[in-house]
Amino acid sequence: AQSVTQPDARVTVSEGASLQLRCKYSYSGTPYLFWYVQYPRQGLQLLLKYYSGDPVVQGVNGFEAEFSKSNSSFHLRKASVHWSDSAVYFCVLGTSGSWQLIFGSGTQLTVMP
Amino acid sequence: EAAVTQSPRNKVAVTGGKVTLSCNQTNNHNNMYWYRQDTGHGLRLIHYSYGAGSTEKGDIPDGYKASRPSQENFSLILELATPSQTSVYFCASGDGGHEQYFGPGTRLTVL
Repeated sequence: AQSVTQPDARVTVSEGASLQLRCKYSYSGTPYLFWYVQYPRQGLQLLLKYYSGDPVVQGVNGFEAEFSKSNSSFHLRKASVHWSDSAVYFCVLGTSGSWQLIFGSGTQLTVMP
Repeated sequence: EAAVTQSPRNKVAVTGGKVTLSCNQTNNHNNMYWYRQDTGHGLRLIHYSYGAGSTEKGDIPDGYKASRPSQENFSLILELATPSQTSVYFCASGDGGHEQYFGPGTRLTVL
């Protein structure tokens, strides 16, 4: 069965520090991968997506993610975080032939000023 | 302009009562979805719809019904609410691909 694992439920970093949020997926076919962000009391917003091609994809607000087929991973990165990046980040898997999405459990990011 | 809206944003219900959560989208998407979000589980699919008049069961449909009276509106109905249905509920719309557009969520507490 397909699944997404975000091993870090909570991550705390200082403002200006670099960030990596980890994501591993389990799927034997070609994955479609997404990162969504959920700000407090808001719905989920698409941050970036990977369908094919260059394994490093750029998103909004300076975020990027790198797809690794060999590691079954899709880690999210940012060079310098801002306090406004504090939110919950979800890694999401889409599979071939289906619109259904498989969500990871989310990582709560707190950026300390 | 918000493309997916939900009402109410917060709801307190009593056990055994009926609860209706409403969702409206202006994206003109055929597909609409209801999810619930619980700590440690991410989002889980309850019901979905391919268009007006259609409703389908998702991964966790027990205790929930859905209604899609029009392209724009999709409701989630709890006929007999239970405390285990205390959660945050998200509605989303999509064009049938993988990208979905989410509403702001409804926080439901069943006492």
